[in-house]
Amino acid sequence: NAGVTQTPKFQVLKTGQSMTLQCAQDMNHEYMSWYRQDPGMGLRLIHYSVGAGITDQGEVPNGYNVSRSTTEDFPLRLLSAAPSQTSVYFCASSYSTGFVNEQFFGPGTRLTVL
Amino acid sequence: EDKVVQSPLSLVVHEGDTVTLNCSYEVTNFRSLLWYKQEKKAPTFLFMLTSSGIEKKSGRLSSILDKKELFSILNITATQTGDSAVYLCAARVGSGNTGKLIFGQGTTLQVKP
Repeated sequence: NAGVTQTPKFQVLKTGQSMTLQCAQDMNHEYMSWYRQDPGMGLRLIHYSVGAGITDQGEVPNGYNVSRSTTEDFPLRLLSAAPSQTSVYFCASSYSTGFVNEQFFGPGTRLTVL
Repeated sequence: EDKVVQSPLSLVVHEGDTVTLNCSYEVTNFRSLLWYKQEKKAPTFLFMLTSSGIEKKSGRLSSILDKKELFSILNITATQTGDSAVYLCAARVGSGNTGKLIFGQGTTLQVKP
């Protein structure tokens, strides 16, 4: 198993550009989530999904869209990047919400918006 | 608004010292309290605490939860340089199929030789 994979590892965008951060898992996990991590802020939940076709907002959803067309993939879209979205983004998955303590985290994507 | 607060935010100790990290929470529909260790990359799971007063131990690390006072502590005894990391606590909230994690800011621990 590859676990949770994220691409790209690093990305630099200009303000107003759009992009998609990819996240995939091969463990047949139902629950997937996206976090951003900023200095002194811990991890903040952006969006999460409890299964294919179902998504919901976390703490800081503004400026981000997600979709979950398959169990394996949970892409995060930035529609119009802003400098405030400069952060490290982590994707995570677990078997179900009941096992959210056993979340597996991806390696992270470091995004810089100029 | 759900909130998890950790203290101190950073800590520098010497090898062999004992440290205590604090985590307090104010959340609705609390389910459990989790601790993670984060080195260079992604967080790795340490403990999950559901019941008050029951200590979880793993080697030199231990943790306990107080659901009346709404806090948890993580103890590390005989610290080593390999314990240097960011320690994150998170409250699991929600019922049924809506469980999610609310993280604190993290405590950065540096252990000097």
